[in-house]
Amino acid sequence: DFQMTQSPSSLSASVGDRVTITCQASQDIATYLNWYQQKPGKSPKLLIYSASNLEAGVPSRFSGGGSGTDFSFTISSLQPEDIATYYCQQYEDLPYTFGQGTKLEI
Amino acid sequence: QVQLQESGPGLVKPSQTLSLTCTVSGGSINSGSHYWTWIRQPAGKGLEWIGRVYSGSPDYHPALKSRASISLDKSKNQFSLKLTSVTAADTAVYFCARETWQVIGTTPYNWFAPWGQGLLVTVSS
Repeated sequence: DFQMTQSPSSLSASVGDRVTITCQASQDIATYLNWYQQKPGKSPKLLIYSASNLEAGVPSRFSGGGSGTDFSFTISSLQPEDIATYYCQQYEDLPYTFGQGTKLEI
Repeated sequence: QVQLQESGPGLVKPSQTLSLTCTVSGGSINSGSHYWTWIRQPAGKGLEWIGRVYSGSPDYHPALKSRASISLDKSKNQFSLKLTSVTAADTAVYFCARETWQVIGTTPYNWFAPWGQGLLVTVSS
C-alpha cells in the first residue's frame, strides 16, 4: 500500500494567515493526489484534484502543488470558515489511501 | 446534481453482517466513468477506502477482501455494502461516494465527489 504522511497533524493559525500543509507519499505517485476538506460532522469535500487543479466552485485562496512524493496544500489567507480537517489521498494504485489528516484551528 | 444517501442499521451485533445501501439521486448509476465506492471513518480517526464497484467485478481493500461485498442494483439506482463477521473494530461512520475517472490526453484524473452524509454504525452486543 502507498503510505501517505501529512504534517503537521494539527495547526493553529489566525485569520488572514498563510497556511501550508504537506503530504509525503511512501513511493512516487506522480501527481495522482487529491485534497479534501472535512468539517465536523460532515462528509469530506473535494478541494484539489491531481495535485494542483482547483475543483469548480472552490475559492481561489486554496491551492496545491508538488509531484512524485512531496506535495503541499496552501490556504493563502485563512478564513474562519476554513476550520476543518484536511486530508490528502493518492490514487496511483489500489487500495486508495489517505493521509492521517491535519486539523486546522483558529 | 447527483446526491448520495446511506441507509441501514446503526447497530450491529458482533459476528453478524453489516448491510448498508447507498441510494443515488439526480443521476444514473449506469453512467460511464464512475465507480461507486464505500469509505469508512472510525470516530476521531482518518479515512479508510473499503472498495468500489463498476459494472464488472468489484475491487476491495486487501485487509477487508475476505469479508466485504459490494454490489449494484441498477433497477433501484442503488449500491450496497455487506461486511461479514463484524467486530468492534468495524465501528465507524460509513460513507458512500462516487469516484470519477477521466483521462485527458495521457493524464488520468480521479476523485471522490460527491459523498453521502455518512452513517454511524456501531458494533456492540
